[in-house]
Amino acid sequence: DTGVSQDPRHKITKRGQNVTFRCDPISEHNRLYWYRQTLGQGPEFLTYFQNEAQLEKSRLLSDRFSAERPKGSFSTLEIQRTEQGDSAMYLCASSFQGRGQGLFGPGTRLTVL
Amino acid sequence: KQEVTQIPAALSVPEGENLVLNCSFTDSAIYNLQWFRQDPGKGLTSLLLIQSSQREQTSGRLNASLDKSSGRSTLYIAASQPGDSATYLCAVKGLPGGTSYGKLTFGQGTILTVHP
Repeated sequence: DTGVSQDPRHKITKRGQNVTFRCDPISEHNRLYWYRQTLGQGPEFLTYFQNEAQLEKSRLLSDRFSAERPKGSFSTLEIQRTEQGDSAMYLCASSFQGRGQGLFGPGTRLTVL
Repeated sequence: KQEVTQIPAALSVPEGENLVLNCSFTDSAIYNLQWFRQDPGKGLTSLLLIQSSQREQTSGRLNASLDKSSGRSTLYIAASQPGDSATYLCAVKGLPGGTSYGKLTFGQGTILTVHP
């Protein structure tokens, strides 16, 4: 394992299009978190999984957002009908249980034109 | 609801200066506090993690302190270098069993510029 990886690193899309991001956590980490960071702000929690179960979703996660972790390994975050306000850095992190410092991936930068 | 505030929002110092970044949080029931570094357009790199039972942690030129009862933490950087220029974020994790356990609540960050 070389760390948490995210793909793509950058995504430019037009308003109204759907986008999907992928996160591959550390293999032995059972928790996976998604955060969103807009320019000049700290990251904000979106949702997290323990194994394949999605245990919490922030009110920031509107019904246009959906996240999955089908086999308890990688996760995907899909945004439907993107809006300009969705432009942000989407960060993924993983940890074993809720302990420890967790590790963050490099993020996916989304730009909605 | 936990809120984290960082002061100052931006700081510019000459190389070699010692500096302090401040972080405050509203709910003292935390599991730990973490300081991160973020370079422009990049992800987060963990610098120091302080458990709620600890008062401080040190790594090289960095020293972080925690006063849980007053809801404050400071990050001290000694002998700053241009390579220290980045955004520094502090984040707190809630207690086990609580709704915030596992997830981090971040401050908005301090943008540090160290000029030669």
